[in-house]
Amino acid sequence: AQSVTQLGSHVSVSEGALVLLRCNYSSSVPPYLFWYVQYPNQGLQLLLKYTSAATLVKGINGFEAEFKKSETSFHLTKPSAHMSDAAEYFCAVSVKSGGGADGLTFGKGTHLIIQP
Amino acid sequence: DSGVTQTPKHLITATGQRVTLRCSPRSGDLSVYWYQQSLDQGLQFLIQYYNGEERAKGNILERFSAQQFPDLHSELNLSSLELGDSALYFCASSVAGRGTDTQYFGPGTRLTVL
Repeated sequence: AQSVTQLGSHVSVSEGALVLLRCNYSSSVPPYLFWYVQYPNQGLQLLLKYTSAATLVKGINGFEAEFKKSETSFHLTKPSAHMSDAAEYFCAVSVKSGGGADGLTFGKGTHLIIQP
Repeated sequence: DSGVTQTPKHLITATGQRVTLRCSPRSGDLSVYWYQQSLDQGLQFLIQYYNGEERAKGNILERFSAQQFPDLHSELNLSSLELGDSALYFCASSVAGRGTDTQYFGPGTRLTVL
C-alpha cells in the first residue's frame, strides 16, 4: 500500500524567505503525486501534480516541486514567501491501478506560518 | 470556486441518527470521490464512483454508504452516528476517475454529532 509522510506539522518562515515543505512517499509502483493547499474553512485546491512527465513541476502561485525517485521525495518549494501563502499544505499520492484510481492517500499536512 | 457543490454546509445531529450529505460534481466530470477529514485521522479516502458505478473503496465504515445518481450527483449516507463521526466531509470530482486526473474539491460539509 502507498503512504505519504510530511516532515514537520508546522513550518514557519519569514515573508520573502524560501519556503520548503517536505514530502516523502512510499509506493511499490510508480506513483502520481499531488500537492494541495487548504485555506481556513475552505476545500482543497490543487497546487501542482506529477504524472510521470517532467520531474520538475511548476504550479500555481509560484510553487514548484521536484520528483526524486532515488529519494522517494516530492518536496514543495517557493523562492519567496508571501503572507497569503499561510495555509495548510497536503501532499498526496495516487497509485496506478487497472482501470482507475483508488482515491488519494494524503499526508497529515503541514501548517505554513508566514512571519511578517 | 471549484465548481463542486456540497450541501448542507453544516449539520448538527445526535448519536444514533442518520444523515445524508449531497454533492454535485463539476459540469462534465463523471467521477465523484468522498473524503473524511478529522483531527485524529487526517484526510481519508472513503469511496469513489464513476458514472453511477462504485469504482473503489477506501476506509469507509459499514454504517456509511454512498451512491451516484444518473444525473451524476452523489449522496453519502451516514447511519447510527457516533461521536467519532464528527468531521469535515469532502466531495471531489474528476473528469474520468483516472489516477492522473485532478480532483476538484467542494467546500465540505461539517458534521457535528452530539
